[in-house]
Amino acid sequence: GIQVEQSPPDLILQEGANSTLRCNFSDSVNNLQWFHQNPWGQLINLFYIPSGTKQNGRLSATTVATERYSLLYISSSQTTDSGVYFCAVSILTGGGNKLTFGTGTQLKVEL
Amino acid sequence: DSGVTQTPKHLITATGQRVTLRCSPRSGDLSVYWYQQSLDQGLQFLIQYYNGEERAKGNILERFSAQQFPDLHSELNLSSLELGDSALYFCASSGREATIYFGEGSWLTVV
Repeated sequence: GIQVEQSPPDLILQEGANSTLRCNFSDSVNNLQWFHQNPWGQLINLFYIPSGTKQNGRLSATTVATERYSLLYISSSQTTDSGVYFCAVSILTGGGNKLTFGTGTQLKVEL
Repeated sequence: DSGVTQTPKHLITATGQRVTLRCSPRSGDLSVYWYQQSLDQGLQFLIQYYNGEERAKGNILERFSAQQFPDLHSELNLSSLELGDSALYFCASSGREATIYFGEGSWLTVV
């Protein structure tokens, strides 16, 4: 199956700092999503980004499908950004959409 | 709020017992997914249903079963529970787009 690797595994930032999270995947995919899991366990969609670049407020993401990686940028980090960030990918076939998740990046933003 | 509703949010049960987790997808979504999140296995895809039919299957144990009903809600049945089944179980749904939206999860503790 598809392998998804995320780096770094852990990250501690001071409030206001910027960061880049990376996701590498082993095969060509046509579905890639970034999620944020907050301290209460909720998985929140950040981006659907199988290719290209998207921005949403302080967050942006870029996927280079041909090189099999995606980047999530967090600017001017806030304490509410703390949690685990997951990258998940799938190959859409015959209606099946089986997301394979990476192991996540645990982010802690401190005052 | 993703629009995906899961019940119950928390449950504690004894080994050997059976539980049913319920999920209502977002309005109009035909696909329903079940995922398990545990500390040692991470986020694992269990099964996908599309408009009442099984569409994709992942690492779902034989003791577990799921179904999607005509009104599109889904249930995940977990039987002969073991301590290792303690986990956060997510339901998710998607529509015409590939973006998958997750519910808040059901925390299962087996004692």
